[in-house]
Parts: sequence; C-alpha cells; structure tokens
Amino acid sequence: GENVEQHPSTLSVQEGDSAVIKCTYSDSASNYFPWYKQELGKRPQLIIDIRSNVGEKKDQRIAVTLNKTAKHFSLHITETQPEDSAVYFCAPYRRNSNSGYALNFGKGTSLLVTP
Amino acid sequence: NAGVTQTPKFQVLKTGQSMTLQCAQDMNHNSMYWYRQDPGMGLRLIYYSASEGTTDKGEVPNGYNVSRLNKREFSLRLESAAPSQTSVYFCASKRSTATTGANVLTFGAGSRLTVL
Repeated sequence: GENVEQHPSTLSVQEGDSAVIKCTYSDSASNYFPWYKQELGKRPQLIIDIRSNVGEKKDQRIAVTLNKTAKHFSLHITETQPEDSAVYFCAPYRRNSNSGYALNFGKGTSLLVTP
Repeated sequence: NAGVTQTPKFQVLKTGQSMTLQCAQDMNHNSMYWYRQDPGMGLRLIYYSASEGTTDKGEVPNGYNVSRLNKREFSLRLESAAPSQTSVYFCASKRSTATTGANVLTFGAGSRLTVL
C-alpha cells in the first residue's frame, strides 16, 4: 500500500476564494488519483479523479492536477461556496489491481468556507 | 439497488464484549474494505478483501478479524472490545476490473461503535 500525506490538514477560506489541497504519495506505480469529499456525518463520496496519462482534469469549479515526477497531485476548488465545507481525502493507488493491494487514504483536509 | 449496507448503525459495548459488524454490497464488486475513522486520523484501513476467498491486513488490524463470507458480504469482528476501538467504521467496495468506473470506492453509511 501507499504512504499518503495531505497538506494542509485544515484550511479556512472566504466564500469566493480558491482552495488548494495537496496529496503526496510514495508508490511510483500508482496510476489512479481520486479525491473524496465527506460532509459532516456522511459517508465519503468521490468528487473527481484522474489517471496517470492525464495531467489535469476539470469539472466545473473543481480540478485535479497531477505531477507524476514529484509524486503529488492537488485538488483545486475555485469560487468556493459554504457547501464546499467538508473533509477531503485523497487515495492514490494502482487501478485495476485486483490482487492484494491495500487502498490507503490520506489523513484528510478539513475545509471551512466562511460567508 | 442499495449499494453498500452496514449494520448496525450504532452500538455500545462494554470492554471485553464481542460483536460483529456486517457489510453487504449488491453491486457485484470484487474488492471490499473495512476502515475506521477517528478525529484527526482520517480513514485507516483495517482489513481488505481483494476478491472472494482472500483477506489481507491493512494498517491497523490488531484486535479485529474479518470474514469474506461470499462475494456480497464482508464482516468485521471484534473478539474482545477495548475503549481504543471506539470509532466510526466504514465498509467500502469497488469493482476492481478493467471497466469504466471500476476504481470508484462506494462506502456504506458507517457504524458508530462506543466501547465503555
């Protein structure tokens, strides 16, 4: 399994500002890079993902960028809104690996968007 | 289509008691996972089952056992509960094949366990 680190652990921004969360991983064979969002009291859900053959992917206000050489990828949220307040987790791994592969998460980043 | 179903949702145990958390998925997924979530610690992998008939330890397996009963069900057992096992437990599954969407983890709603 991966060693995964996320930074920062907490992030507070004003509504309308941008937020960036970085995830660093150890396994150079990782080829799938998802971000999950967990609202208070709810289960984590995938919000965006990227594969290793793509450098950047956007979906409306969120984007993920990947730097395979440096082994990190980042979540970018633009024009933040109060409903973006949540804990965000990264979980890089080798996709389609169906034998004996632990799937480890980062410790999470708690994002607070204040009106 | 229920997705991933966990039972019970809440449980209070006394130190030394045993219990089993049940997890079932109806999406024909191959891989299943058990995580615990504690404040500031994120989601830590306890055990996983890459496919039916196999189980492996994750980051924090001590004090737990698992059973992959069939392709649908993956249970987590605490043989002798300790206060340190007070946590929210999440079961998750994914398809793990070379198909679109196979990499996405689907989580259950969570089970909140308190050990007194």
